[in-house]
Amino acid sequence: SQQGEEDPQALSIQEGENATMNCSYKTSINNLQWYRQNSGRGLVHLILIRSNEREKHSGRLRVTLDTSKKSSSLLITASRAADTASYFCAGGYNKLIFGAGTRLAVHP
Amino acid sequence: GAVVSQHPSRVICKSGTSVKIECRSLDFQATTMFWYRQFPKQSLMLMATSNEGSKATYEQGVEKDKFLINHASLTLSTLTVTSAHPEDSSFYICSADQGEGGYTFGSGTRLTVV
Repeated sequence: SQQGEEDPQALSIQEGENATMNCSYKTSINNLQWYRQNSGRGLVHLILIRSNEREKHSGRLRVTLDTSKKSSSLLITASRAADTASYFCAGGYNKLIFGAGTRLAVHP
Repeated sequence: GAVVSQHPSRVICKSGTSVKIECRSLDFQATTMFWYRQFPKQSLMLMATSNEGSKATYEQGVEKDKFLINHASLTLSTLTVTSAHPEDSSFYICSADQGEGGYTFGSGTRLTVV
C-alpha cells in the first residue's frame, strides 16, 4: 500500500535556490514524516510533524501539514549539491506508508 | 541513538533457493518491526508488519508463503524469501517501531536473484 502521489516526481534546480516538494496522503495519520534517501542507500529521517501541528522548522527545512486537505510540503532553502537525493513523505497510524517520492537534483 | 542492524547488505542467490534477511534492534526493544520492498526508482512499499510473539500482518497482495516473517524476540525479526525468482530482486528495508511515532530503519539489503 502507498500514500498518494508526490509532486513533483522530479525536480532540478541550481545551488542556492529553494526546493519545494508536496505530498498528498490517503490514510489517517497521527504524524507525518519526511525522509531522504541517497541513491540505493538507506533512509535518513529528516523531520516529523504531528497531526495537530501546522508547520515545523529544522535548520534549512520547513514542513507544513494541512490535515483538511491531507497534504504536506517540504521546503529546503538555499539548496546545496549535497541535497541531491530522493525525498519521501510517510505517514500512517501505527505504521508508515510512504509516498511516491520526489527525486531532487541540485546542480552546482 | 537507536540503531537497527540489517544483514546482509547484499546477497546474490540462485533462482529457486531461499534467502534470509535479519533485522536487529541493537539498543532498544521493538515489539513491532516492518518490512519494505523498494524497486529501482520507486518508493518503499510496505510488505508486512512483524509482531513479536505473533503472526505477521501482511499488506494486500503480498504472499505470506513467499515472504516468511519471524519475530521470535524483542530485538530480532527475519524475512525469508522462499524459492526466490529474478522478479524478487529488490531492495528490502526493515524498520523498528520505537513508539511515539519514532521509527528506525535498517540500511537495507540488496537482493539479486540470478
